[in-house]
Amino acid sequence: DQQVKQNSPSLSVQEGRISILNCDYTNSMFDYFLWYKKYPAEGPTFLISISSIKDKNEDGRFTVFLNKSAKHLSLHIVPSQPGDSAVYFCAASGLDNDMRFGAGTRLTVKP
Amino acid sequence: NAGVMQNPRHLVRRRGQEARLRCSPMKGHSHVYWYRQLPEEGLKFMVYLQKENIIDESGMPKERFSAEFPKEGPSILRIQQVVRGDSAAYFCASSPGSGRTNEQYFGPGTRLTVT
Repeated sequence: DQQVKQNSPSLSVQEGRISILNCDYTNSMFDYFLWYKKYPAEGPTFLISISSIKDKNEDGRFTVFLNKSAKHLSLHIVPSQPGDSAVYFCAASGLDNDMRFGAGTRLTVKP
Repeated sequence: NAGVMQNPRHLVRRRGQEARLRCSPMKGHSHVYWYRQLPEEGLKFMVYLQKENIIDESGMPKERFSAEFPKEGPSILRIQQVVRGDSAAYFCASSPGSGRTNEQYFGPGTRLTVT
């Protein structure tokens, strides 16, 4: 069962523009959401998180939006930079503390 | 402060052999998680352990796979009688606590190839 879905396997944007990565979840018990970034041959690294009591969390160029009614969250990167090119994983956890990951979206930022 | 360490980074096994993957969590972290990433797929949760205890192994295949996190030493993910379908990247993560707001820190992964 895929409780966390990232329906876009890849995304390409121009440097300086906004990157929007989307994530949907099915389990209404999830109440904490995270984004991880992964470069080739490395482990994922934590990027930003949001609790279900919020609908937005911002950290520099990265903003995560949460729409609980739609069970949808998104990561906005603005302005996008070539160094942002990586695979981005959305993750969600609930009371059981287990984290469930999406399949990832490969972002390519073109100079 | 060393991060999560995994070894080996690459492991080649023939079908039927055993694979042992090791994970040393970050200093001060007592919670370890194992994930598997199949080619072109996302991270799939396998097992969550604390020292000497398996907390959740709902993502572990029922046969051939086992995990431990002894009082001393690294966490071990063991795969017996490997098959080609076990070829994947196996990531370990650790966290300082069990609360779900504790972000997990990932190791670099072990890439297992079964020939």
